[in-house]
Amino acid sequence: GQNIDQPTEMTATEGAIVQINCTYQTSGFNGLFWYQQHAGEAPTFLSYNVLDGLEEKGRFSSFLSRSKGYSYLLLKELQMKDSASYLCAVKDSNYQLIWGAGTKLIIKP
Amino acid sequence: ETGVTQTPRHLVMGMTNKKSLKCEQHLGHNAMYWYKQSAKKPLELMFVYNFKEQTENNSVPSRFSPECPNSSHLFLHLHTLQPEDSALYLCASSPLGAKGATEHTGELFFGEGSRLTVL
Repeated sequence: GQNIDQPTEMTATEGAIVQINCTYQTSGFNGLFWYQQHAGEAPTFLSYNVLDGLEEKGRFSSFLSRSKGYSYLLLKELQMKDSASYLCAVKDSNYQLIWGAGTKLIIKP
Repeated sequence: ETGVTQTPRHLVMGMTNKKSLKCEQHLGHNAMYWYKQSAKKPLELMFVYNFKEQTENNSVPSRFSPECPNSSHLFLHLHTLQPEDSALYLCASSPLGAKGATEHTGELFFGEGSRLTVL
């Protein structure tokens, strides 16, 4: 079966750096996505990786290793507003999105 | 402001009620989706519409009935639901990929969801 694994919850301190990991086993691969979802709000697109390596976008970076079935989302200079759930999703060979259960990130002052 | 609007935001209904959820997008997208989001579970894809045609129905019980009258509007009709159907129902839209209806670019634009409670 297809599966996406990510930690259920993480806690970090304001101003610090946090890395949220995502591992996947899917039937084929056509890209990996990260979405952010604040409580009670819509998920919003953060990043898309289809080739190996690091994609940087401001304070957020996303890394992909297709051979390892692994990605991470790196958040730098954490702010209180970064408290949210972070969803990892992989597009499989049929272009279907397979979702992880999300990682709830708690930022403490 | 999101480009995808869902109403109502909250809905409480009994198991014998009939209600509908509405989704509207003005992003010019041709693909629209219904997802179910339950606590600590992955998003569950329920239905997909491409150019108003339903292309996927992921083994969803018949008590959920989708309707897509045009590419900007999507409904989810609810009838004789069960308490386990209580969840957040998310609507999303996306542009279609260059390969046509079978490929979606992947970036989804979500509404804020309709929180459904079935008593």
